[in-house]
Amino acid sequence: DTAVSQTPKYLVTQMGNDKSIKCEQNLGHDTMYWYKQDSKKFLKIMFSYNNKELIINETVPNRFSPKSPDKAHLNLHINSLELGDSAVYFCASRDRGRGYTFGSGTRLTVV
Amino acid sequence: GENVEQHPSTLSVQEGDSAVIKCTYSDSASNYFPWYKQELGKRPQLIIDIRSNVGEKKDQRIAVTLNKTAKHFSLHITETQPEDSAVYFCAVYSGAGSYQLTFGKGTKLSVIP
Repeated sequence: DTAVSQTPKYLVTQMGNDKSIKCEQNLGHDTMYWYKQDSKKFLKIMFSYNNKELIINETVPNRFSPKSPDKAHLNLHINSLELGDSAVYFCASRDRGRGYTFGSGTRLTVV
Repeated sequence: GENVEQHPSTLSVQEGDSAVIKCTYSDSASNYFPWYKQELGKRPQLIIDIRSNVGEKKDQRIAVTLNKTAKHFSLHITETQPEDSAVYFCAVYSGAGSYQLTFGKGTKLSVIP
């Protein structure tokens, strides 16, 4: 069983489109995250939810909107996609006091 | 907020040699220090971690050392193999009130056969 699963794995779309990435974890963790990894491999936090409550909202364009229907799911919706949004997006969940378990990533390419 | 510096950014070693990656952090309240390995096209995966009440931890060919006074910690890989080639990230958890890990910028390790 995959602990943290993301869909889709690859996403190619045109500028201006709206797209969503889904994430689900079956580990029973309370906290989930979205990270963006750019071409230089830097992992930049975007959002964090703890028990469905938004606790971290870094400086990202408001075109990015996270949604957590329950503590096992954290989805990411992106409006009006731009070329600079191209990156790999990782979902992760965390057990209290330990490190993250990452999803397999979604490679977003905006053309 | 927490600031994590990681060095070097790239590292090439001959197969069988040792590799050392170093990280420094700024928040003296930080209490948990994991290391992640990310192979090309894959997700970052936890390979070893250490807590602030421990100075060293080993797991086969990898070890992590922590110097709380100096606020730095290091990853040591001995007898390197080609499959150790990857990007390695250090991270720091600042404890109570902090919900996130702060990551270093990564070290690309290349093991030359």
